[in-house]
Amino acid sequence: QKEVEQDPGPLSVPEGAIVSLNCTYSNSAFQYFMWYRQYSRKGPELLMYTYSSGNKEDGRFTAQVDKSSKYISLFIRDSQPSDSATYLCAMSDNDMRFGAGTRLTVKP
Amino acid sequence: DGGITQSPKYLFRKEGQNVTLSCEQNLNHDAMYWYRQDPGQGLRLIYYSQIVNDFQKGDIAEGYSVSREKKESFPLTVTSAQKNPTAFYLCASSIRSVGVGQGNEQFFGPGTRLTVL
Repeated sequence: QKEVEQDPGPLSVPEGAIVSLNCTYSNSAFQYFMWYRQYSRKGPELLMYTYSSGNKEDGRFTAQVDKSSKYISLFIRDSQPSDSATYLCAMSDNDMRFGAGTRLTVKP
Repeated sequence: DGGITQSPKYLFRKEGQNVTLSCEQNLNHDAMYWYRQDPGQGLRLIYYSQIVNDFQKGDIAEGYSVSREKKESFPLTVTSAQKNPTAFYLCASSIRSVGVGQGNEQFFGPGTRLTVL
């Protein structure tokens, strides 16, 4: 079993939809949780950074962490074609671990 | 502008050759990292460095070597011993290394795509 599991998709939604991206993990020591956006042939860009359980909102993006279920989510409201990218979850305590990424396409 | 630069963007290697990928940061970050990204797989850590003149092996260090002579620079050499080097290579940095509390989020460069001919 991988330490971090992320559905690779692909996920295709119409413009304006609410997108839900998720990761599960097995290491209960993880305390820091991140979401990265990666456009094709580019480096990942940090979107959200959260510590422990709870929600964090930044514009159209909301990151949610449920440590009891070992489950994190990223919600994108009013999705735009420019949101089309691969989204990577990451988490750390002493080591950083990344999910494989979910490819998202937002169709106009 | 502060950031991380990687060069070259594309690199081609013949069998049996060593090649070196450049990574420079002007963020004054202590820690630097090299990852390899293959389709359908998460980022895999090759090497990391928490401080100048010190570096540690990651999960897939075999066939790779690094140096950290300056805080700003962390070059990666892909040696001929790496049997399957074709991949997208990403360099990252963070204020401190993981496990030291806040400030361990990593910031990435644009990547180098290495292809073996």
